[in-house]
Amino acid sequence: AQTVTQSQPEMSVQEAETVTLSCTYDTSESDYYLFWYKQPPSRQMILVIRQEAYKQQNATENRFSVNFQKAAKSFSLKISDSQLGDAAMYFCAYRSYNQGGKLIFGQGTELSVKP
Amino acid sequence: NAGVTQTPKFQVLKTGQSMTLQCAQDMNHNSMYWYRQDPGMGLRLIYYSASEGTTDKGEVPNGYNVSRLNKREFSLRLESAAPSQTSVYFCASRMTGMNTEAFFGQGTRLTVV
Repeated sequence: AQTVTQSQPEMSVQEAETVTLSCTYDTSESDYYLFWYKQPPSRQMILVIRQEAYKQQNATENRFSVNFQKAAKSFSLKISDSQLGDAAMYFCAYRSYNQGGKLIFGQGTELSVKP
Repeated sequence: NAGVTQTPKFQVLKTGQSMTLQCAQDMNHNSMYWYRQDPGMGLRLIYYSASEGTTDKGEVPNGYNVSRLNKREFSLRLESAAPSQTSVYFCASRMTGMNTEAFFGQGTRLTVV
């Protein structure tokens, strides 16, 4: 069975600075997807970024980028030029190609942004 | 376009009471999911339905039942609520296919006293 681990329950960053959230996972599969979701206080789950395991190039979405290390099974999220609106809970998630689209989530990292 | 709609948004139950959480999506998605979110544990899959007429257990199915009423609707039922079922419940849907993402409802905060 696959597992996802986020070892940082809380992180803090100064506005306009850069922060990196860590995620590791365990799987025996070679093809899969990895995701970062943002959950603000509204509770809404918002997809931030997605990475296909077969792609060597790291995904980027504006100020958000990932460092995907397949051999090390590591998938970190970097937020550049942090903004107050980035404050939220962030979840790392894994999805297999062949298991009905089920998402396996990490424990989450609560990010606070200081003005 | 409403996306995924969950009702109710908040609910308080007494131990032993039953209730059904409703979920409906208007995106013509094949697959639907129920997750629960607990502090320090992320979201965990309760049940899912890969297509209309099929349902399967997820990681934490005990104490729950589901019904895929039609393609749009996927309900979660607690037959006899327990304090351990106090949680935030999320419904999600997704179009079957490799390169598609899941869309989530706004969640239901359930408290069992």
